[in-house]
Amino acid sequence: DTAVSQTPKYLVTQMGNDKSIKCEQNLGHDTMYWYKQDSKKFLKIMFSYNNKELIINETVPNRFSPKSPDKAHLNLHINSLELGDSAVYFCASRTGGLVETEAFFGQGTRLTVV
Amino acid sequence: LAKTTQPISMDSYEGQEVNITCSHNNIATNDYITWYQQFPSQGPRFIIQGYKTKVTNEVASLFIPADRKSSTLSLPRVSLSDTAVYYCLVGGTSGTYKYIFGTGTRLKVLA
Repeated sequence: DTAVSQTPKYLVTQMGNDKSIKCEQNLGHDTMYWYKQDSKKFLKIMFSYNNKELIINETVPNRFSPKSPDKAHLNLHINSLELGDSAVYFCASRTGGLVETEAFFGQGTRLTVV
Repeated sequence: LAKTTQPISMDSYEGQEVNITCSHNNIATNDYITWYQQFPSQGPRFIIQGYKTKVTNEVASLFIPADRKSSTLSLPRVSLSDTAVYYCLVGGTSGTYKYIFGTGTRLKVLA
């Protein structure tokens, strides 16, 4: 049973389109994240949610809109896709806040904008 | 979170012990040190975490000197399958919603 699952695994789309990536965790964690890993392999935090509330938005363009319908889900919707959005997007979850706990990552979604 | 500095890349041979050092000069009193491993086309996965002195698990050891301004991840007798990127993170207890990864160290294990 996968702890953190993302769908789809691969996504190829044209510039200007709108797309969504879904993330679900079955670990009972209260904090979820979205990271972007570009071609240089830097892993940059985009968003952090705790109990469905946005905590961190790392100066991500407004075209990116995360949505957390419940604690177990954090979806990422991207409007008007650009070439520079091509990257691997990782979802992660952990128990945030009170103790230092490890993060669990999904397998990633490779987004290619053409 | 305290900024971390790691070597960009390292090469090693199978069977050798590999030590990867991470500098975190601005580490705060409540900060823990955590290491992750990332294989190509996979998400990072937790390896080890510590606060001070030495921590050992079935995968690695983590050495933290008394001043805690650096830490060393030690991988005993590496194999080809240990080829990956290793990330060091430093973060505190409460309010750790900003979980920031550094640039990581690309370890290549050669036959």
